[in-house]
Amino acid sequence: KNQVEQSPQSLIILEGKNCTLQCNYTVSPFSNLRWYKQDTGRGPVSLTIMTFSENTKSNGRYTATLDADTKQSSLHITASQLSDSASYICVVSVGDYKLSFGAGTTVTVRA
Amino acid sequence: EPEVTQTPSHQVTQMGQEVILRCVPISNHLYFYWYRQILGQKVEFLVSFYNNEISEKSEIFDDQFSVERPDGSNFTLKIRSTKLEDSAMYFCASSRLAGVETQYFGPGTRLLVL
Repeated sequence: KNQVEQSPQSLIILEGKNCTLQCNYTVSPFSNLRWYKQDTGRGPVSLTIMTFSENTKSNGRYTATLDADTKQSSLHITASQLSDSASYICVVSVGDYKLSFGAGTTVTVRA
Repeated sequence: EPEVTQTPSHQVTQMGQEVILRCVPISNHLYFYWYRQILGQKVEFLVSFYNNEISEKSEIFDDQFSVERPDGSNFTLKIRSTKLEDSAMYFCASSRLAGVETQYFGPGTRLLVL
């Protein structure tokens, strides 16, 4: 069964601090791994996409890593801002079309 | 910047009624998708659509659901006879190509079935 597990479920950080979110997956056939940001009541917004051959990908203050051997990924947020408060979702592509979503990590940034 | 739009933003319907959710994908995109998110749960894939036919669907997408691209701009999801458990946020997404391509999501339609 295709599964995407994320940890922690939620975290609170102070503005300006860094944090790292974790994702483990058991998905086959694996095509690529994505991280999305979802604000409450809004649609997910893509942050990064990585194929199995890529180890790291950055998008501004967001840096994603992928270890395809251990089937683990992480998303690192640097110098957090209040606007980073959102749910961060690890998403694995199964084949060409279907995306399998994790439950997300809710990040709250406090001033 | 082009974006996916969805209408209505909210819809309330009675159990057993038909609903049609509408989406306008980004204009040069060729692949279209519907997802749903039940309150407090993860986003779930429903269906993908390309070249006027379904390319893949999940086990959730049973005979009560159908999709259509009635013209060059709209992409619709129809639920024939709504059930209470169909209450969810429904997201439309589109991508230029399949595979390693960003899927752009719309803002969603919140459906409440009473």
